[in-house]
Amino acid sequence: GEQVEQLPSILRVQEGSSASINCSYEDSASNYFPWYKQEPGENPKLIIDIRSNMERKQIQELIVLLDKKAKRFSLHITDTQPGDSAMYFCAAEGGTGSKLSFGKGAKLTVSP
Amino acid sequence: NAGVIQTPRHKVTGKGQEATLWCEPISGHSAVFWYRQTIVQGLEFLTYFRNQAPIDDSGMPKERFSAQMPNQSHSTLKIQSTQPQDSAVYLCASSLDGQYAEQFFGPGTRLTVL
Repeated sequence: GEQVEQLPSILRVQEGSSASINCSYEDSASNYFPWYKQEPGENPKLIIDIRSNMERKQIQELIVLLDKKAKRFSLHITDTQPGDSAMYFCAAEGGTGSKLSFGKGAKLTVSP
Repeated sequence: NAGVIQTPRHKVTGKGQEATLWCEPISGHSAVFWYRQTIVQGLEFLTYFRNQAPIDDSGMPKERFSAQMPNQSHSTLKIQSTQPQDSAVYLCASSLDGQYAEQFFGPGTRLTVL
Protein backbone atom coordinates (compact mmCIF):
# COMPACT_ATOMS: atom_id res chain seq x y z
CA GLY A 1 0.00 0.00 0.00
CA GLU A 2 0.86 3.67 -0.02
CA GLN A 3 3.74 4.81 2.16
CA VAL A 4 3.88 8.37 3.45
CA GLU A 5 7.01 9.85 4.98
CA GLN A 6 6.72 12.95 7.15
CA LEU A 7 9.44 15.25 8.42
CA PRO A 8 10.33 16.70 10.80
CA SER A 9 8.80 14.74 13.65
CA ILE A 10 9.37 17.56 16.13
CA LEU A 11 9.16 21.27 15.42
CA ARG A 12 9.60 24.18 17.82
CA VAL A 13 9.02 27.74 16.70
CA GLN A 14 8.49 31.17 18.22
CA GLU A 15 5.09 32.78 18.12
CA GLY A 16 4.64 34.79 14.96
CA SER A 17 7.11 32.80 12.90
CA SER A 18 6.34 30.20 10.23
CA ALA A 19 6.36 26.42 10.54
CA SER A 20 6.72 23.93 7.70
CA ILE A 21 6.08 20.21 7.56
CA ASN A 22 7.02 18.10 4.59
CA CYS A 23 5.61 14.82 3.33
CA SER A 24 6.41 12.49 0.49
CA TYR A 25 4.48 9.59 -0.97
CA GLU A 26 5.20 6.66 -3.25
CA ASP A 27 2.05 5.91 -5.23
CA SER A 28 1.78 8.22 -8.22
CA ALA A 29 -1.93 7.35 -8.36
CA SER A 30 -2.56 9.08 -5.02
CA ASN A 31 -4.77 12.07 -5.67
CA TYR A 32 -6.04 13.49 -2.41
CA PHE A 33 -3.88 14.85 0.40
CA PRO A 34 -5.49 15.97 3.67
CA TRP A 35 -3.80 17.39 6.74
CA TYR A 36 -5.11 16.64 10.20
CA LYS A 37 -4.44 18.40 13.49
CA GLN A 38 -4.67 16.39 16.69
CA GLU A 39 -4.56 17.94 20.14
CA PRO A 40 -3.78 15.85 23.23
CA GLY A 41 -6.65 13.53 24.08
CA GLU A 42 -8.63 14.61 21.05
CA ASN A 43 -9.46 13.03 17.71
CA PRO A 44 -7.74 14.15 14.51
CA LYS A 45 -9.50 17.04 12.76
CA LEU A 46 -9.12 18.04 9.14
CA ILE A 47 -7.56 21.49 8.76
CA ILE A 48 -6.85 21.67 5.04
CA ASP A 49 -6.68 19.37 2.05
CA ILE A 50 -5.56 19.47 -1.56
CA ARG A 51 -6.44 17.42 -4.59
CA SER A 52 -4.06 16.40 -7.32
CA ASN A 53 -5.48 18.92 -9.79
CA MET A 54 -4.10 21.75 -7.63
CA GLU A 55 -0.59 22.90 -6.75
CA ARG A 56 -1.39 25.33 -3.97
CA LYS A 57 -4.21 25.96 -1.55
CA GLN A 58 -4.52 28.50 1.25
CA ILE A 59 -6.98 28.81 4.10
CA GLN A 60 -6.13 31.78 6.27
CA GLU A 61 -2.70 31.08 7.76
CA LEU A 62 -2.47 27.56 6.33
CA ILE A 63 -0.82 26.93 2.97
CA VAL A 64 -0.51 23.54 1.30
CA LEU A 65 1.77 22.93 -1.66
CA LEU A 66 1.69 19.85 -3.87
CA ASP A 67 4.44 18.77 -6.29
CA LYS A 68 3.09 15.74 -8.12
CA LYS A 69 6.24 15.16 -10.13
CA ALA A 70 8.35 14.93 -7.01
CA LYS A 71 5.53 13.22 -5.09
CA ARG A 72 5.83 15.71 -2.27
CA PHE A 73 3.45 17.94 -0.42
CA SER A 74 3.90 20.33 2.44
CA LEU A 75 2.04 22.34 5.04
CA HIS A 76 3.10 25.85 5.93
CA ILE A 77 1.64 27.66 8.90
CA THR A 78 2.31 31.38 8.79
CA ASP A 79 2.16 33.65 11.85
CA THR A 80 2.01 30.75 14.27
CA GLN A 81 0.18 31.11 17.57
CA PRO A 82 0.42 29.05 20.77
CA GLY A 83 -2.95 27.54 19.84
CA ASP A 84 -1.29 25.96 16.81
CA SER A 85 0.69 23.69 19.13
CA ALA A 86 -0.45 20.13 18.37
CA MET A 87 0.36 17.01 16.37
CA TYR A 88 -0.02 17.38 12.63
CA PHE A 89 -0.51 14.43 10.32
CA CYS A 90 -0.30 14.39 6.57
CA ALA A 91 -2.09 11.70 4.62
CA ALA A 92 -2.53 10.44 1.10
CA GLU A 93 -5.54 8.79 -0.43
CA GLY A 94 -4.51 6.23 -2.99
CA GLY A 95 -5.92 6.02 -6.46
CA THR A 96 -7.40 2.62 -5.82
CA GLY A 97 -9.63 3.53 -2.94
CA SER A 98 -10.59 5.84 -0.15
CA LYS A 99 -8.35 4.70 2.67
CA LEU A 100 -5.86 7.19 4.02
CA SER A 101 -2.21 6.40 4.56
CA PHE A 102 -0.82 8.68 7.25
CA GLY A 103 2.60 10.04 7.98
CA LYS A 104 3.98 9.44 11.47
CA GLY A 105 3.11 12.94 12.60
CA ALA A 106 4.88 16.14 13.56
CA LYS A 107 4.69 17.62 17.03
CA LEU A 108 4.59 21.40 16.72
CA THR A 109 5.26 23.56 19.75
CA VAL A 110 4.78 27.31 19.44
CA SER A 111 6.40 29.30 22.23
CA PRO A 112 5.07 32.72 23.26
CA ASN B 1 -24.98 16.70 14.66
CA ALA B 2 -23.27 14.67 17.36
CA GLY B 3 -20.39 13.64 15.17
CA VAL B 4 -19.05 10.11 15.04
CA ILE B 5 -19.86 8.25 18.23
CA GLN B 6 -17.64 5.52 19.59
CA THR B 7 -18.27 3.33 22.59
CA PRO B 8 -16.82 2.50 24.96
CA ARG B 9 -14.27 5.30 25.31
CA HIS B 10 -12.01 3.08 27.36
CA LYS B 11 -11.82 -0.69 27.58
CA VAL B 12 -9.51 -2.84 29.62
CA THR B 13 -9.32 -6.54 28.87
CA GLY B 14 -7.24 -9.41 30.07
CA LYS B 15 -5.02 -11.26 27.66
CA GLY B 16 -7.07 -13.78 25.71
CA GLN B 17 -10.40 -12.04 26.22
CA GLU B 18 -12.60 -10.66 23.47
CA ALA B 19 -13.17 -6.96 22.84
CA THR B 20 -15.97 -5.43 20.77
CA LEU B 21 -15.78 -1.80 19.79
CA TRP B 22 -18.76 0.17 18.48
CA CYS B 23 -19.00 3.03 16.05
CA GLU B 24 -21.99 5.12 15.01
CA PRO B 25 -21.18 7.18 11.91
CA ILE B 26 -22.57 10.60 11.16
CA SER B 27 -26.08 10.28 9.81
CA GLY B 28 -26.09 10.32 6.02
CA HIS B 29 -22.46 9.30 5.67
CA SER B 30 -22.03 6.27 3.45
CA ALA B 31 -18.41 5.39 4.20
CA VAL B 32 -17.07 4.13 7.53
CA PHE B 33 -13.39 3.62 8.27
CA TRP B 34 -11.50 1.99 11.13
CA TYR B 35 -7.97 3.08 12.05
CA ARG B 36 -5.63 2.17 14.91
CA GLN B 37 -3.31 4.69 16.56
CA THR B 38 -0.23 3.90 18.62
CA ILE B 39 2.82 5.93 19.53
CA VAL B 40 5.12 3.58 17.64
CA GLN B 41 3.10 2.87 14.49
CA GLY B 42 1.11 6.07 14.26
CA LEU B 43 -2.24 6.01 12.48
CA GLU B 44 -2.83 2.76 10.61
CA PHE B 45 -5.74 1.94 8.33
CA LEU B 46 -7.60 -1.24 9.22
CA THR B 47 -10.75 -1.54 7.12
CA TYR B 48 -13.60 0.36 5.53
CA PHE B 49 -17.20 -0.01 4.39
CA ARG B 50 -19.22 1.85 1.82
CA ASN B 51 -22.99 1.59 1.98
CA GLN B 52 -22.48 -1.16 4.56
CA ALA B 53 -20.48 -3.32 2.15
CA PRO B 54 -16.89 -4.20 3.06
CA ILE B 55 -14.61 -2.57 0.51
CA ASP B 56 -11.06 -2.88 1.77
CA ASP B 57 -9.80 -4.80 4.79
CA SER B 58 -6.15 -4.83 3.77
CA GLY B 59 -5.04 -3.34 7.07
CA MET B 60 -6.76 -5.88 9.27
CA PRO B 61 -4.62 -8.49 11.00
CA LYS B 62 -5.72 -11.73 9.38
CA GLU B 63 -6.37 -13.52 12.59
CA ARG B 64 -8.46 -12.38 15.54
CA PHE B 65 -9.73 -9.12 13.99
CA SER B 66 -13.08 -8.79 12.26
CA ALA B 67 -15.38 -5.90 11.40
CA GLN B 68 -19.01 -5.70 10.45
CA MET B 69 -21.54 -3.11 9.49
CA PRO B 70 -24.97 -4.69 9.93
CA ASN B 71 -26.85 -1.47 9.25
CA GLN B 72 -26.13 2.11 8.20
CA SER B 73 -26.11 3.36 11.77
CA HIS B 74 -23.36 1.30 13.29
CA SER B 75 -20.22 -0.71 12.74
CA THR B 76 -18.36 -3.02 15.08
CA LEU B 77 -14.74 -4.04 15.35
CA LYS B 78 -14.19 -7.30 17.19
CA ILE B 79 -10.87 -8.53 18.47
CA GLN B 80 -10.75 -12.11 19.65
CA SER B 81 -8.17 -13.43 22.07
CA THR B 82 -6.73 -9.96 22.70
CA GLN B 83 -2.99 -9.62 23.12
CA PRO B 84 -0.97 -6.83 24.78
CA GLN B 85 0.19 -5.65 21.34
CA ASP B 86 -3.45 -4.90 20.47
CA SER B 87 -3.39 -2.06 22.99
CA ALA B 88 -4.06 1.12 21.03
CA VAL B 89 -6.61 3.81 20.37
CA TYR B 90 -9.08 2.54 17.79
CA LEU B 91 -10.53 5.35 15.74
CA CYS B 92 -13.63 5.21 13.60
CA ALA B 93 -14.22 7.79 10.88
CA SER B 94 -17.03 8.43 8.46
CA SER B 95 -17.36 10.42 5.27
CA LEU B 96 -20.14 11.42 2.93
CA ASP B 97 -18.96 9.44 -0.03
CA GLY B 98 -15.55 7.97 0.56
CA GLN B 99 -13.28 9.13 -2.19
CA TYR B 100 -11.79 12.62 -1.82
CA ALA B 101 -14.21 13.31 1.00
CA GLU B 102 -13.29 14.61 4.43
CA GLN B 103 -13.17 11.86 6.98
CA PHE B 104 -14.60 12.87 10.34
CA PHE B 105 -13.04 10.99 13.22
CA GLY B 106 -14.73 9.85 16.37
CA PRO B 107 -13.16 10.26 19.82
CA GLY B 108 -11.71 6.76 19.70
CA THR B 109 -11.75 3.77 22.01
CA ARG B 110 -8.63 3.32 24.09
CA LEU B 111 -8.09 -0.43 24.41
CA THR B 112 -5.70 -1.67 27.06
CA VAL B 113 -4.88 -5.36 27.14
CA LEU B 114 -3.25 -6.45 30.38
